[in-house]
Amino acid sequence: AQTVTQSQPEMSVQEAETVTLSCTYDTSENNYYLFWYKQPPSRQMILVIRQEAYKQQNATENRFSVNFQKAAKSFSLKISDSQLGDTAMYFCAFPLFGAGNMLTFGGGTRLMVKP
Amino acid sequence: GAVVSQHPSWVICKSGTSVKIECRSLDFQATTMFWYRQFPKQSLMLMATSNEGSKATYEQGVEKDKFLINHASLTLSTLTVTSAHPEDSSFYICSATLGTEAFFGQGTRLTVV
Repeated sequence: AQTVTQSQPEMSVQEAETVTLSCTYDTSENNYYLFWYKQPPSRQMILVIRQEAYKQQNATENRFSVNFQKAAKSFSLKISDSQLGDTAMYFCAFPLFGAGNMLTFGGGTRLMVKP
Repeated sequence: GAVVSQHPSWVICKSGTSVKIECRSLDFQATTMFWYRQFPKQSLMLMATSNEGSKATYEQGVEKDKFLINHASLTLSTLTVTSAHPEDSSFYICSATLGTEAFFGQGTRLTVV
């Protein structure tokens, strides 16, 4: 069974600074994807970034980047130049192929960006 | 990106009544949709997998007679909470996958009084 663990229930960061959210997972698969989703107060789930396991290069999307360590099964999200609009719940997610890409979510990290 | 629309956004119902929540993929076909439940400050918990033209697959601990799922077309899945009780009050979210990416509805906040 796949598991996804986020060990930081809550974090805070000053505006314009950098913060890293941790995620570890367990799987027996070799090829897979990993995702970070953001859930702002509106509660709409928004895809932040995704990583393909067969790619060694870490994914980057503007201010968001990941540190993907396949051997360690670690997938952290770095947010640079934090903005007030980054305040949200962040979920690490792992899809189960062969089950319609059903997502297994981590417990979430509540990020507060302070002015 | 693809759009998944969920309706209603919020609903208040009396205890003992039934409530139907719709999830539509607006610009793509989805043979599989997922229904999640989210308690305050917690993660999304998968309730069931909705399969077009066949029975839904429920996660352990989810009562299939209480949470009826119908996926009658490639763009619509419905979740009906039957004989709702206050403990069913929660936030319900649906999703559908296109390629490798999941797209989520806006969610439905259900309050049972």
